[in-house]
Amino acid sequence: EAQVTQNPRYLITVTGKKLTVTCSQNMNHEYMSWYRQDPGLGLRQIYYSMNVEVTDKGDVPEGYKVSRKEKRNFPLILESPSPNQTSLYFCASSLVGAMNNQPQHFGDGTRLSIL
Amino acid sequence: QQQVKQSPQSLIVQKGGIPIINCAYENTAFDYFPWYQQFPGKGPALLIAIRPDVSEKKEGRFTISFNKSAKQFSLHIMDSQPGDSATYFCAAKPRGAGSYQLTFGKGTKLSVIP
Repeated sequence: EAQVTQNPRYLITVTGKKLTVTCSQNMNHEYMSWYRQDPGLGLRQIYYSMNVEVTDKGDVPEGYKVSRKEKRNFPLILESPSPNQTSLYFCASSLVGAMNNQPQHFGDGTRLSIL
Repeated sequence: QQQVKQSPQSLIVQKGGIPIINCAYENTAFDYFPWYQQFPGKGPALLIAIRPDVSEKKEGRFTISFNKSAKQFSLHIMDSQPGDSATYFCAAKPRGAGSYQLTFGKGTKLSVIP
């Protein structure tokens, strides 16, 4: 089954304790992206990657890191989490097509609570 | 600066009604406008999309209307059902090779009452 898998689905942790949210896709997609979803703010892009070893900032990158060492994986790293990073996070992937209109496939989300 | 403005924030309709969700944009470089549907506990999923060279697109009970001159587009759900209760996001993507970033509206929570 074609899917984007995020882990963990839920995490409660404390300020300053480094954490990583993993994202893996099995569709051989070149493009991957991380979003955060907050009430009343919709989906905001954190980082994206066009291919292996190619990453770039989205709209709200502060406090986050990413890496793309393999095509299928795109982990999100919070080196020193703070309470304002409490949010629902989504990973997404898509093909890179000539028409640029490939749909983005989303994971089911990771709910992070930073105390 | 919000580039895609979506309204209303929430919407309640009775079964069989026709909810309408509206979006407006400023950036004339946008050339692809998808709508995503999100159920609780799930990620958004592509519902329907339109390019600005057409004024309307239908897929089943879902219709996008597009007004290029007004820079507005809307989603209509015909004969709405309780199973359509979800959050809907409009989005926009700029034209250009290598441009894949979507800008999302803030979302509309739709409740369809039996």
